[in-house]
Amino acid sequence: AQTVTQSQPEMSVQEAETVTLSCTYDTSESDYYLFWYKQPPSRQMILVIRQEAYKQQNATENRFSVNFQKAAKSFSLKISDSQLGDAAMYFCAYRSDEKETSGSRLTFGEGTQLTVNP
Amino acid sequence: SQTIHQWPATLVQPVGSPLSLECTVEGTSNPNLYWYRQAAGRGLQLLFYSVGIGQISSEVPQNLSASRPQDRQFILSSKKLLLSDSGFYLCAWSRRGFTDTQYFGPGTRLTVL
Repeated sequence: AQTVTQSQPEMSVQEAETVTLSCTYDTSESDYYLFWYKQPPSRQMILVIRQEAYKQQNATENRFSVNFQKAAKSFSLKISDSQLGDAAMYFCAYRSDEKETSGSRLTFGEGTQLTVNP
Repeated sequence: SQTIHQWPATLVQPVGSPLSLECTVEGTSNPNLYWYRQAAGRGLQLLFYSVGIGQISSEVPQNLSASRPQDRQFILSSKKLLLSDSGFYLCAWSRRGFTDTQYFGPGTRLTVL
């Protein structure tokens, strides 16, 4: 079974600075997908960014980018120019290649609580 | 555009009472549907998923059950709630047949007393 580990329960960053959140995973599969979700105090899960394992290029989405190291099974999230609205719990998630009868199940890490200081 | 609804938003129930949480998706057809539970300050645990009407797969043994009576409706139920059933329940959907992202509903906060 796949596991996802986020070793930083809490992180803090100054507004306008850059912060990197760590995520490692364990899998024997070669094809899979990785995601970062954000959960603000409202508790709704919001997709931040996704990465396909077959792509060597790191995904970027505005101020958010990832450092995907497939051999090391590492998938970190970098937030540039941090804003107060970035404060939230961030979850790393893994998904196997979708199979017809099993759906596209997500395995989540335990999350990293990000605080943005003004 | 697609939207996902959950209700109720908040629920307080006594131990031993029944439960019914509902999730509906609009703007898409034949989605994959998922129920997750999140304990306080923790990650999400997949409870059930469905790839079609009447097709339910359970991920963990528990006193909860799920049903999918219609294409875009997913229901989480229990005949008798336990204290350990307290938590935040999230429904999600993804496009079937596509290696695509899961999109989450606003969630239901359940407290069992």
